[in-house]
Amino acid sequence: ETGVTQSPTHLIKTRGQQVTLRCSSQSGHNTVSWYQQALGQGPQFIFQYYREEENGRGNFPPRFSGLQFPNYSSELNVNALELDDSALYLCASSFQGLGGNTIYFGEGSWLTVV
Amino acid sequence: AQRVTQPEKLLSVFKGAPVELKCNYSYSGSPELFWYVQYSRQRLQLLLRHISRESIKGFTADLNKGETSFHLKKPFAQEEDSAMYYCALSGTGTALIFGKGTTLSVSS
Repeated sequence: ETGVTQSPTHLIKTRGQQVTLRCSSQSGHNTVSWYQQALGQGPQFIFQYYREEENGRGNFPPRFSGLQFPNYSSELNVNALELDDSALYLCASSFQGLGGNTIYFGEGSWLTVV
Repeated sequence: AQRVTQPEKLLSVFKGAPVELKCNYSYSGSPELFWYVQYSRQRLQLLLRHISRESIKGFTADLNKGETSFHLKKPFAQEEDSAMYYCALSGTGTALIFGKGTTLSVSS
């Protein structure tokens, strides 16, 4: 059982609103990444944080932003929500270092935009 | 362009039959390839990675750089193998590029 936890598990927002999703990384992991998984699709990389700095970003607009805190927990913020933002948002953590890195996923936060 | 293609959306087999889940990739460089599995009501979890060359739950996958493929195989399917399987690649850094997934359904 991995230690990546996400909250909330489900939420409903109205178009135009803002949302914050939270993630607690597995103990000892220094890297966190976020993925969006729409229905019937594979997860798509949003961005990655390493030691509190964004160090990689997928093809998502600036209204998707994030933070990583000193304890390596993380937030995903989405502004000006659109209907197409409805998806499962997955947080993943890993340790960047020697010996390769295994990525562990949380159970996700289901976001519905109406 | 970096891409992972899983051509089958659904693969249905009988218990005891061989299984092959196809995965092709496009990447300019030497990527690391993975198979992730998601059982019903469970989180996405790593099944295997090509660099470790190990067999997990009877599954194996061989990286074929000439054909840019990383097909997942198991000689004898079990009902508990029924799940969604995702092929993924990673270039520099840890960001993963996933395919759309294949649902494996094993019936008795």
